[in-house]
Amino acid sequence: KQEVTQIPAALSVPEGENLVLNCSFTDSAIYNLQWFRQDPGKGLTSLLLIQSSQREQTSGRLNASLDKSSGRSTLYIAASQPGDSATYLCAVTPGWTTDSWGKLQFGAGTQVVVTP
Amino acid sequence: DTGVSQDPRHKITKRGQNVTFRCDPISEHNRLYWYRQTLGQGPEFLTYFQNEAQLEKSRLLSDRFSAERPKGSFSTLEIQRTEQGDSAMYLCASNRQYPTGELFFGSGTQLSVL
Repeated sequence: KQEVTQIPAALSVPEGENLVLNCSFTDSAIYNLQWFRQDPGKGLTSLLLIQSSQREQTSGRLNASLDKSSGRSTLYIAASQPGDSATYLCAVTPGWTTDSWGKLQFGAGTQVVVTP
Repeated sequence: DTGVSQDPRHKITKRGQNVTFRCDPISEHNRLYWYRQTLGQGPEFLTYFQNEAQLEKSRLLSDRFSAERPKGSFSTLEIQRTEQGDSAMYLCASNRQYPTGELFFGSGTQLSVL
């Protein structure tokens, strides 16, 4: 059974520092990996999606890498701002076919606080 | 189109009552999903529809839960005889089958069972 782990569970950094968030998964048979942001009491906002054939994706200050063989993904947020404070979740689509699309396996998230 | 819409945002009910939530997906998305999230955990998959057909139900979905998507557009999730353990955030998501499968979530319905 696929298990997704995010360490650390919480992180606090001063404004301007780069953030490094880790995600590991136990089964390399994944279709894609998606990073989400969640504000308290709110739904999830998609940040980046990496297909299993890709090594990384970038959007603005965000960069996500994927190493399927080692079961790891890392989300980098450059020059953090107080507005980046939120919980960040990674999720994998298990399996090789489109049948499993949308049936994501989530980690528990990393709660980030960026202090001014 | 403004994204996935869920109603209500919050629901407080007494144990034993029935509740129903509604989800309106992004209009061109043919797949719709329901997830449940408890405090401090990631969301867990409950069920999904492709158009109006319910294709899979998780073992988390007990007999008290039922979901419908009658015309392949909006969906409802009903919980009968609610229990305190049903208290959670219920999230709806949608996507297109092609090309990437990227999932888009709504703001969720926070259920509190007293």
